[in-house]
Amino acid sequence: SQTIHQWPATLVQPVGSPLSLECTVEGTSNPNLYWYRQAAGRGLQLLFYSVGIGQISSEVPQNLSASRPQDRQFILSSKKLLLSDSGFYLCAWSVGQGTTDTQYFGPGTRLTVL
Amino acid sequence: QKEVEQNSGPLSVPEGAIASLNCTYSDRGSQSFFWYRQYSGKSPELIMSIYSNGDKEDGRFTAQLNKASQYVSLLIRDSQPSDSATYLCAVNGWILTGGGNKLTFGTGTQLKVEL
Repeated sequence: SQTIHQWPATLVQPVGSPLSLECTVEGTSNPNLYWYRQAAGRGLQLLFYSVGIGQISSEVPQNLSASRPQDRQFILSSKKLLLSDSGFYLCAWSVGQGTTDTQYFGPGTRLTVL
Repeated sequence: QKEVEQNSGPLSVPEGAIASLNCTYSDRGSQSFFWYRQYSGKSPELIMSIYSNGDKEDGRFTAQLNKASQYVSLLIRDSQPSDSATYLCAVNGWILTGGGNKLTFGTGTQLKVEL
Protein backbone atom coordinates (compact mmCIF):
# COMPACT_ATOMS: atom_id res chain seq x y z
CA SER A 1 0.00 0.00 0.00
CA GLN A 2 1.00 3.58 -0.53
CA THR A 3 2.26 5.80 2.28
CA ILE A 4 3.06 9.49 2.26
CA HIS A 5 5.33 11.17 4.77
CA GLN A 6 5.89 14.82 5.56
CA TRP A 7 8.36 16.47 7.87
CA PRO A 8 8.67 18.28 10.03
CA ALA A 9 5.23 18.00 11.57
CA THR A 10 5.40 21.47 13.10
CA LEU A 11 7.73 24.38 12.56
CA VAL A 12 8.08 27.84 14.07
CA GLN A 13 10.28 30.18 12.07
CA PRO A 14 11.14 33.90 12.26
CA VAL A 15 10.27 36.24 9.42
CA GLY A 16 13.03 36.32 6.84
CA SER A 17 14.37 32.86 7.60
CA PRO A 18 14.61 30.07 4.99
CA LEU A 19 12.25 27.13 4.73
CA SER A 20 12.49 23.54 3.56
CA LEU A 21 9.61 21.09 3.83
CA GLU A 22 9.93 17.56 2.58
CA CYS A 23 7.42 15.04 1.29
CA THR A 24 8.08 11.44 0.29
CA VAL A 25 5.77 8.78 -1.07
CA GLU A 26 6.25 5.03 -0.72
CA GLY A 27 4.63 2.16 -2.55
CA THR A 28 4.04 3.76 -5.93
CA SER A 29 6.00 4.89 -8.94
CA ASN A 30 5.82 8.10 -10.92
CA PRO A 31 3.10 9.73 -8.84
CA ASN A 32 1.68 13.16 -9.45
CA LEU A 33 2.69 15.27 -6.46
CA TYR A 34 1.05 18.41 -5.12
CA TRP A 35 1.76 21.07 -2.51
CA TYR A 36 -1.22 22.81 -0.93
CA ARG A 37 -1.52 25.43 1.77
CA GLN A 38 -4.50 25.68 4.09
CA ALA A 39 -4.78 29.00 5.90
CA ALA A 40 -7.19 29.46 8.77
CA GLY A 41 -10.77 29.78 7.53
CA ARG A 42 -9.81 29.30 3.90
CA GLY A 43 -9.95 26.45 1.46
CA LEU A 44 -6.98 24.48 0.30
CA GLN A 45 -4.87 26.46 -2.13
CA LEU A 46 -2.80 24.57 -4.70
CA LEU A 47 0.75 25.93 -4.72
CA PHE A 48 2.72 23.57 -6.95
CA TYR A 49 2.29 20.29 -8.73
CA SER A 50 4.66 17.89 -10.44
CA VAL A 51 4.09 15.05 -12.87
CA GLY A 52 7.70 13.86 -12.93
CA ILE A 53 11.28 14.40 -11.79
CA GLY A 54 12.34 17.97 -12.36
CA GLN A 55 8.89 18.95 -13.70
CA ILE A 56 7.33 21.63 -11.50
CA SER A 57 4.38 23.87 -12.26
CA SER A 58 3.46 26.83 -10.11
CA GLU A 59 -0.13 27.80 -9.53
CA VAL A 60 0.34 30.88 -7.40
CA PRO A 61 3.25 33.32 -7.78
CA GLN A 62 4.83 33.97 -4.40
CA ASN A 63 8.09 33.63 -2.52
CA LEU A 64 7.90 29.84 -2.41
CA SER A 65 9.50 27.33 -4.75
CA ALA A 66 9.32 23.58 -5.19
CA SER A 67 11.64 20.88 -6.43
CA ARG A 68 11.39 17.19 -7.22
CA PRO A 69 14.88 15.72 -7.09
CA GLN A 70 13.68 12.11 -7.03
CA ASP A 71 10.61 10.30 -8.33
CA ARG A 72 8.91 10.11 -4.92
CA GLN A 73 10.35 13.19 -3.22
CA PHE A 74 8.85 16.67 -3.31
CA ILE A 75 10.38 19.65 -1.53
CA LEU A 76 8.88 23.05 -0.76
CA SER A 77 11.31 25.88 -0.10
CA SER A 78 11.58 29.56 0.59
CA LYS A 79 14.59 31.82 0.86
CA LYS A 80 12.85 34.37 3.10
CA LEU A 81 9.62 33.64 4.94
CA LEU A 82 6.83 36.19 5.29
CA LEU A 83 4.21 36.37 8.02
CA SER A 84 1.62 35.46 5.39
CA ASP A 85 3.39 32.13 4.79
CA SER A 86 1.97 30.75 8.03
CA GLY A 87 -0.43 27.88 7.50
CA PHE A 88 -0.90 24.14 7.21
CA TYR A 89 1.15 22.76 4.32
CA LEU A 90 -0.12 19.59 2.77
CA CYS A 91 1.53 17.32 0.26
CA ALA A 92 -0.69 15.08 -1.84
CA TRP A 93 -0.11 12.31 -4.35
CA SER A 94 -2.07 10.67 -7.11
CA VAL A 95 -1.38 8.21 -9.90
CA GLY A 96 -4.39 8.69 -12.14
CA GLN A 97 -4.94 10.61 -15.31
CA GLY A 98 -7.69 12.98 -16.17
CA THR A 99 -10.82 13.71 -14.23
CA THR A 100 -10.76 10.52 -12.14
CA ASP A 101 -7.30 11.29 -10.80
CA THR A 102 -7.76 11.07 -7.02
CA GLN A 103 -5.54 12.85 -4.54
CA TYR A 104 -4.44 11.53 -1.15
CA PHE A 105 -2.94 13.79 1.45
CA GLY A 106 0.03 13.46 3.74
CA PRO A 107 -0.11 14.34 7.46
CA GLY A 108 0.90 17.96 6.85
CA THR A 109 3.32 20.48 8.32
CA ARG A 110 2.00 23.28 10.46
CA LEU A 111 4.16 26.36 9.90
CA THR A 112 4.04 29.43 12.13
CA VAL A 113 6.04 32.46 11.02
CA LEU A 114 6.66 34.98 13.82
CA GLN B 1 -13.02 32.26 -10.89
CA LYS B 2 -14.19 28.71 -10.23
CA GLU B 3 -15.94 28.51 -6.89
CA VAL B 4 -17.08 25.81 -4.52
CA GLU B 5 -19.47 26.88 -1.79
CA GLN B 6 -20.23 25.14 1.47
CA ASN B 7 -22.08 26.27 4.55
CA SER B 8 -19.42 26.59 7.25
CA GLY B 9 -21.74 25.35 9.98
CA PRO B 10 -21.49 24.04 12.57
CA LEU B 11 -24.13 21.51 11.64
CA SER B 12 -25.28 19.75 14.78
CA VAL B 13 -27.08 16.41 14.61
CA PRO B 14 -27.95 13.91 17.34
CA GLU B 15 -26.23 10.55 17.42
CA GLY B 16 -27.97 8.07 15.11
CA ALA B 17 -29.48 10.74 12.87
CA ILE B 18 -28.75 11.44 9.20
CA ALA B 19 -26.34 14.28 8.55
CA SER B 20 -26.74 16.08 5.22
CA LEU B 21 -23.83 18.14 3.91
CA ASN B 22 -24.23 20.27 0.82
CA CYS B 23 -21.94 21.80 -1.77
CA THR B 24 -22.55 23.95 -4.84
CA TYR B 25 -20.08 24.70 -7.58
CA SER B 26 -19.85 27.29 -10.31
CA ASP B 27 -18.10 25.50 -13.18
CA ARG B 28 -20.59 23.62 -15.34
CA GLY B 29 -17.72 21.75 -16.97
CA SER B 30 -16.69 20.01 -13.76
CA GLN B 31 -16.69 16.24 -14.08
CA SER B 32 -15.41 14.79 -10.83
CA PHE B 33 -16.37 15.50 -7.25
CA PHE B 34 -14.76 14.44 -4.01
CA TRP B 35 -15.60 14.51 -0.33
CA TYR B 36 -12.83 14.65 2.25
CA ARG B 37 -13.10 14.48 6.02
CA GLN B 38 -10.72 16.57 8.12
CA TYR B 39 -10.43 16.15 11.86
CA SER B 40 -9.21 19.16 13.80
CA GLY B 41 -5.46 19.57 13.37
CA LYS B 42 -5.22 16.69 10.90
CA SER B 43 -4.96 16.39 7.13
CA PRO B 44 -7.93 15.69 4.82
CA GLU B 45 -8.90 12.07 4.32
CA LEU B 46 -10.77 10.92 1.20
CA ILE B 47 -14.27 9.61 1.88
CA MET B 48 -15.82 9.30 -1.55
CA SER B 49 -15.65 10.34 -5.15
CA ILE B 50 -18.57 10.65 -7.58
CA TYR B 51 -18.56 11.27 -11.31
CA SER B 52 -22.10 10.58 -12.56
CA ASN B 53 -25.48 12.04 -11.70
CA GLY B 54 -27.33 10.14 -9.01
CA ASP B 55 -26.38 8.44 -5.79
CA LYS B 56 -23.29 6.50 -4.81
CA GLU B 57 -23.28 4.57 -1.57
CA ASP B 58 -20.34 3.36 0.52
CA GLY B 59 -21.25 2.01 3.92
CA ARG B 60 -22.92 4.76 5.95
CA PHE B 61 -21.99 7.39 3.36
CA THR B 62 -23.99 8.36 0.28
CA ALA B 63 -22.83 10.95 -2.21
CA GLN B 64 -25.43 12.59 -4.42
CA LEU B 65 -24.67 14.51 -7.60
CA ASN B 66 -26.94 16.73 -9.68
CA LYS B 67 -24.93 18.35 -12.46
CA ALA B 68 -27.91 20.28 -13.82
CA SER B 69 -28.29 22.04 -10.49
CA GLN B 70 -24.51 22.11 -9.89
CA TYR B 71 -25.03 20.51 -6.54
CA VAL B 72 -23.31 17.67 -4.71
CA SER B 73 -24.16 16.39 -1.26
CA LEU B 74 -22.96 13.87 1.28
CA LEU B 75 -25.33 11.97 3.54
CA ILE B 76 -24.05 10.25 6.65
CA ARG B 77 -26.47 7.72 8.08
CA ASP B 78 -26.46 6.63 11.72
CA SER B 79 -24.16 9.51 12.62
CA GLN B 80 -21.62 8.78 15.32
CA PRO B 81 -19.62 11.14 17.56
CA SER B 82 -16.54 9.98 15.65
CA ASP B 83 -18.03 11.58 12.52
CA SER B 84 -17.56 15.00 14.11
CA ALA B 85 -15.14 16.74 11.76
CA THR B 86 -14.99 19.25 8.94
CA TYR B 87 -16.10 17.91 5.57
CA LEU B 88 -14.47 19.36 2.48
CA CYS B 89 -16.04 19.29 -0.95
CA ALA B 90 -13.62 19.30 -3.90
CA VAL B 91 -14.48 19.77 -7.55
CA ASN B 92 -12.23 19.27 -10.52
CA GLY B 93 -11.63 22.37 -12.60
CA TRP B 94 -9.41 21.21 -15.39
CA ILE B 95 -6.72 18.73 -16.23
CA LEU B 96 -3.25 19.88 -15.35
CA THR B 97 -0.47 19.69 -17.89
CA GLY B 98 0.82 16.14 -17.65
CA GLY B 99 -2.44 14.61 -16.45
CA GLY B 100 -3.06 15.63 -12.86
CA ASN B 101 -6.40 16.94 -11.67
CA LYS B 102 -6.82 20.58 -10.66
CA LEU B 103 -9.21 20.56 -7.71
CA THR B 104 -11.01 23.51 -6.18
CA PHE B 105 -11.89 23.01 -2.53
CA GLY B 106 -14.67 24.51 -0.50
CA THR B 107 -13.89 25.88 2.93
CA GLY B 108 -15.71 22.97 4.54
CA THR B 109 -18.70 22.30 6.77
CA GLN B 110 -18.11 21.55 10.43
CA LEU B 111 -20.24 18.64 11.62
CA LYS B 112 -20.93 18.00 15.30
CA VAL B 113 -22.61 14.77 16.30
CA GLU B 114 -24.05 15.09 19.77
CA LEU B 115 -24.68 12.29 22.25
